[in-house]
Amino acid sequence: AQSVTQLDSHVSVSEGTPVLLRCNYSSSYSPSLFWYVQHPNKGLQLLLKYTSAATLVKGINGFEAEFKKSETSFHLTKPSAHMSDAAEYFCVVSDRNSGYALNFGKGTSLLVTP
Amino acid sequence: DVKVTQSSRYLVKRTGEKVFLECVQDMDHENMFWYRQDPGLGLRLIYFSYDVKMKEKGDIPEGYSVSREKKERFSLILESASTNQTSMYLCASSFTSARLVDTQYFGPGTRLTVL
Repeated sequence: AQSVTQLDSHVSVSEGTPVLLRCNYSSSYSPSLFWYVQHPNKGLQLLLKYTSAATLVKGINGFEAEFKKSETSFHLTKPSAHMSDAAEYFCVVSDRNSGYALNFGKGTSLLVTP
Repeated sequence: DVKVTQSSRYLVKRTGEKVFLECVQDMDHENMFWYRQDPGLGLRLIYFSYDVKMKEKGDIPEGYSVSREKKERFSLILESASTNQTSMYLCASSFTSARLVDTQYFGPGTRLTVL
């Protein structure tokens, strides 16, 4: 069975400092991994996805994530936080055993302070 | 531009009422999904459909049913609403690809309150 664990429920950073949101996964097969973002009162938006191509994946708004199979991790990073990055972030895993369904983590709330 | 729409942003219903949540996508996607989102629990899959008239149970189907009569439309039905079904409901859709797993596109959500 597949699962995903987001290690922090809340992360607070100052504007202009790096962002690190941590995600570990478990999967019996080669997984597909995603990060989605949800701004207040907005729908979920795809930030980036990994599907067994390059292990370093670049997404929108300067975010990137690195797939590390040995550590079963898919952490999300950004070099410099912006106030507009404040949102809820979800790490998501899926594999061929799950068919079409995605398995969402419980979310990390990112707070950016001036 | 990709578009998934949901019939209502906010809905208030009474216990025991039958509730219909509608979702429409204009991307000709084969797959459609219903999730509910609760604080601290993330998104949990209720039902999904990979073709017209086809449906599969997700992780928490109890108390819900679905209908997909047309490719672009996927309805979630609460046969007899209860207070523990108060939640944010999110609809999503995706293509079927060779890897089966493809990006899901989400609607804005319906916040349902059951009194």
